[in-house]
Amino acid sequence: EVQLVESGGGLVQPGGSLRLSCAASGFTFSSYWMHWVRQAPGKGLVWVSRINSDGSSTSYADSVKGRFTISRDNAKNTLYLQMNSLRAEDTAVYYCARESIAAGGVRYWGQGTLVTVSS
Amino acid sequence: DIQMTQSPSSLSASVGDRVTITCRASQGISNSLAWYQQKPGKAPKLLLYAASRLESGVPSRFSGSGSGTDYTLTISSLQPEDFATYYCQQYYSTLWTFGQGTKVEIK
Repeated sequence: EVQLVESGGGLVQPGGSLRLSCAASGFTFSSYWMHWVRQAPGKGLVWVSRINSDGSSTSYADSVKGRFTISRDNAKNTLYLQMNSLRAEDTAVYYCARESIAAGGVRYWGQGTLVTVSS
Repeated sequence: DIQMTQSPSSLSASVGDRVTITCRASQGISNSLAWYQQKPGKAPKLLLYAASRLESGVPSRFSGSGSGTDYTLTISSLQPEDFATYYCQQYYSTLWTFGQGTKVEIK
């Protein structure tokens, strides 16, 4: 069974940092591109970042470019999101997501972890 | 970046109604479009991909169509469990984008 379990969320002050983790199991993690998607309270889904299967290529939404860094450790089957210079508008539930290879979109999502940026 | 404009933002419908949600991309996306259903407090659920391909286990009352820049999600006969928020998403670009969402409420 495919499982994605996020952790690392919490309350952080503006300007602070946080690192999210996503532990993957039930599939060959190193074969899949992975993404982070966020959702502010009461708002829609927003794509944040993606990383290719071996970690050599990454992309970011303009809103987080230069502040967030996506990475992965294929030996540990874990995806990361390092978030620096956090702002109030980064407050959201952060989901990790596995990109489908043959199909499109995301079949598997984590349960989400809440990040709250507030003083 | 490719912008996705989804409409309407909300709608009220009754059980048994036919419901249509549209999504327009700011450029052609070659059917690289997925539709999701999301219920409060839950992760999104994939309904369709490649614009019209039904995800395994999803009821056949859900269907998708479209091409180029314009796409449609149709629920042929709305069921009580279908009251939720629906999102389109393009994956034509490696920089994904989602529509703003359509909340389907009970009339």
